[in-house]
Amino acid sequence: EVQLVESGGGLVQPGGSLRLSCAASGFTFSSHWMHWVRQAPGKGLVWVSRINNDGSYTDYADSVKGRFTISRDNAKNTLYLQMNSLRADDTAVYYCARLGVAARVGGVDCWGQGTLVTVSS
Amino acid sequence: AIQMTQSPSSLSASVGDRVTITCRASQGIRDDLGWYQQKPGKAPKVLIYAASSLQSGVPSRFSGSGSGTDFTLTISSLQPEDFATYYCLQDYTYPPTFGQGTKLEIK
Repeated sequence: EVQLVESGGGLVQPGGSLRLSCAASGFTFSSHWMHWVRQAPGKGLVWVSRINNDGSYTDYADSVKGRFTISRDNAKNTLYLQMNSLRADDTAVYYCARLGVAARVGGVDCWGQGTLVTVSS
Repeated sequence: AIQMTQSPSSLSASVGDRVTITCRASQGIRDDLGWYQQKPGKAPKVLIYAASSLQSGVPSRFSGSGSGTDFTLTISSLQPEDFATYYCLQDYTYPPTFGQGTKLEIK
């Protein structure tokens, strides 16, 4: 069974740092691009970042560029999001995802259960 | 970035109703679009990929159509478990962008 399990969320003060992890299982992790998507309380889904299958290429939303770093360890089947200089508007549930809406076969799209990051003093 | 305009933002309907939700892209995205259902406190679940392909295990009352800039999600006969929030997502070009969401409520 394909599974993504996030961890690392919590309460952090403005200006602080946090590292999220996403453990993947049930598929060949090293073959897939991976994404982080977030959802502020009561709001919609917002794409945050992506990384290619070998970790050599990354992209970021403008709102997090220069503050967040996505990375992966294919030997550990784990995706990471290092979040620095956190602000109140970074408060959200963070999901790791293998997006598959553009795929030509089903079963690609998969999301974790999410981890809550709260930035507050 | 491509803007995805989803409508309506909210919708009241009854069990058994036929419901349509639309997404319009600010430029052509071929059929690189999917539809998600999200229930409170849960992760989004994909219903439709490649604009019109039904994800395995999703009831056949859900269908998607469209190509280019205009897309539609249709629920042919609403069931109680369908009351949720729905999002479209384009993954044709960077960055991937979501519609604003449609909250489907019981009338």
